[in-house]
Amino acid sequence: NAGVTQTPKFQVLKTGQSMTLQCAQDMNHNSMYWYRQDPGMGLRLIYYSASEGTTDKGEVPNGYNVSRLNKREFSLRLESAAPSQTSVYFCASTANRFSYNSPLHFGNGTRLTVT
Amino acid sequence: DQQVKQNSPSLSVQEGRISILNCDYTNSMFDYFLWYKKYPAEGPTFLISISSIKDKNEDGRFTVFLNKSAKHLSLHIVPSQPGDSAVYFCAASAGYSGGGADGLTFGKGTHLIIQP
Repeated sequence: NAGVTQTPKFQVLKTGQSMTLQCAQDMNHNSMYWYRQDPGMGLRLIYYSASEGTTDKGEVPNGYNVSRLNKREFSLRLESAAPSQTSVYFCASTANRFSYNSPLHFGNGTRLTVT
Repeated sequence: DQQVKQNSPSLSVQEGRISILNCDYTNSMFDYFLWYKKYPAEGPTFLISISSIKDKNEDGRFTVFLNKSAKHLSLHIVPSQPGDSAVYFCAASAGYSGGGADGLTFGKGTHLIIQP
């Protein structure tokens, strides 16, 4: 059981380039999330998808777009990368976002550097 | 404004002793608290949680204590083992906006180092 899989693991972009971070979960979870983690900072929510077909902004959505492709997959797109988007990106999922007994399951992250 | 604070960036503890990680919060609406553990190059994994209706929750070597009046929670690990060396994140959620996966606010983390 792979859980939450993120690709790629590492990426280096030049300012202005675009890319899509991929995330897939095999736990039949309804809700999926994208977080970023910067040095000395906690995890901050970028976007989330409460269920297939819906997406909503989190705390730091500027410069990003998302697509909930199907129940399994939730991608994060940077249209024009900026150095401020250098970070580690984590995808997460949960079966029931309203349940205290359904904590988030995280992927292993994508380390992105924008030069 | 940081609503969940972990004021110790790092903590070093001898193997076999007790590790105590602290977390303070400012939002009185928070009613559910979680601890996540993170190893290098991996994603965070859920460790233990506590609802505001309780003041203590235990799971094996891990116990979380909640002091609502002080807006403070702590994670105790007894006895500490080398595999406990990791970054620990405190997180909090307010009300129905999630067991609040959407509404989770994370602290900056504490790096626990278990010395042999």
